[in-house]
Amino acid sequence: GAGVSQTPSNKVTEKGKYVELRCDPISGHTALYWYRQSLGQGPEFLIYFQGTGAADDSGLPNDRFFAVRPEGSVSTLKIQRTERGDSAVYLCASSLSFGTVYEQYFGPGTRLTVT
Amino acid sequence: AQSVTQLGSHVSVSEGALVLLRCNYSSSVPPYLFWYVQYPNQGLQLLLKYTSAATLVKGINGFEAEFKKSETSFHLTKPSAHMSDAAEYFCAVSDGGNTDKLIFGTGTRLQVFP
Repeated sequence: GAGVSQTPSNKVTEKGKYVELRCDPISGHTALYWYRQSLGQGPEFLIYFQGTGAADDSGLPNDRFFAVRPEGSVSTLKIQRTERGDSAVYLCASSLSFGTVYEQYFGPGTRLTVT
Repeated sequence: AQSVTQLGSHVSVSEGALVLLRCNYSSSVPPYLFWYVQYPNQGLQLLLKYTSAATLVKGINGFEAEFKKSETSFHLTKPSAHMSDAAEYFCAVSDGGNTDKLIFGTGTRLQVFP
């Protein structure tokens, strides 16, 4: 079956611009996670959705970052007034439900470059 | 706060040799521990996980890891490396709490030489 998909695969934008990154989770998965992976680092947690609501957004670095999941499926990560430090690979993961027994399945990521 | 430390950002082995990738954790509660593998231009794939059952955990592709509470370690091993094992490996910890968010280490790049 189809895995987690993310679009675009690559995004180049200028400093100060607004970007949207999209995540399509595995069908039927209620839990969705966003992580950010900077060069040479492991992924860092950004936000978690259970259904439509953000259950934990403690990893969002500042108020320029926002994410939505209006229908409990597709999620969009939105970054306003991008900065060069936002350049990273943004990873999305989904799992069947909440609970460690459920594996998080990762998408291939969106590589964001802010020039 | 939880964290993991991966010792060695790069590990090189010969094909057929033992693979040992080190991970130490810090957690104030009983941890859940994971190893993920990342191949170039692909998403992270779960190799194995420890969730307080058996301390020796077997995963995919011949990998296994042993949870040692006394050493706060969860090292990943494979008896005989294969060329296809070359990838980036990440250790991660979760508190199994309200979000199950994963806290990752910085990763270890495994190179396998013929």
